[in-house]
Amino acid sequence: QQQVKQSPQSLIVQKGGIPIINCAYENTAFDYFPWYQQFPGKGPALLIAIRPDVSEKKEGRFTISFNKSAKQFSLHIMDSQPGDSATYFCAASKSGGGADGLTFGKGTHLIIQP
Amino acid sequence: DSGVTQTPKHLITATGQRVTLRCSPRSGDLSVYWYQQSLDQGLQFLIQYYNGEERAKGNILERFSAQQFPDLHSELNLSSLELGDSALYFCASSVATRASGGYNEQFFGPGTRLTVL
Repeated sequence: QQQVKQSPQSLIVQKGGIPIINCAYENTAFDYFPWYQQFPGKGPALLIAIRPDVSEKKEGRFTISFNKSAKQFSLHIMDSQPGDSATYFCAASKSGGGADGLTFGKGTHLIIQP
Repeated sequence: DSGVTQTPKHLITATGQRVTLRCSPRSGDLSVYWYQQSLDQGLQFLIQYYNGEERAKGNILERFSAQQFPDLHSELNLSSLELGDSALYFCASSVATRASGGYNEQFFGPGTRLTVL
């Protein structure tokens, strides 16, 4: 059973556009939702995270929108650049990510064209 | 650089063998997590240790085991290796901080690429 569903699988956006990646979860016990960015040959790097008591969080060009009733959250990248080309993973965990591991989506391969 | 170190970077071995992957967490982090990343399964949580004690288990096979030592470094032992165990293995460490609102932000190491022939 896939507990975190991520879409799209791949995405191509022109430079300056706003790619949007969506995730949906099933387990209402999840209370911590981070996004990770991974470049080829590297480990996932934490981008931004949100808690369910907040509907939106911005950090630099990255924004998470969270809809608790729909059990969905999304990542928006403003003014996207070719350097943002990477694979993005949404994740979720219980207990604030403490006594539990992260459950990851399948990933979105993002390409930003110059 | 996340501050989490993993060795070795690459490991090539044969079916039936046993290997040990090593992880050193960021300074001050008490929790260590192990993850497996493969093309078909994606990123999967295997196991977590906190200050030397097992805290949570994910999809870890019985052939796999881990431990965390008093200096907080951790080792993941994989035995009776099969072709399907070929994957990237990541270690992450975390600590809850005021900046993170008390939530455990996990920082990943560069990974160990295991190839089983």
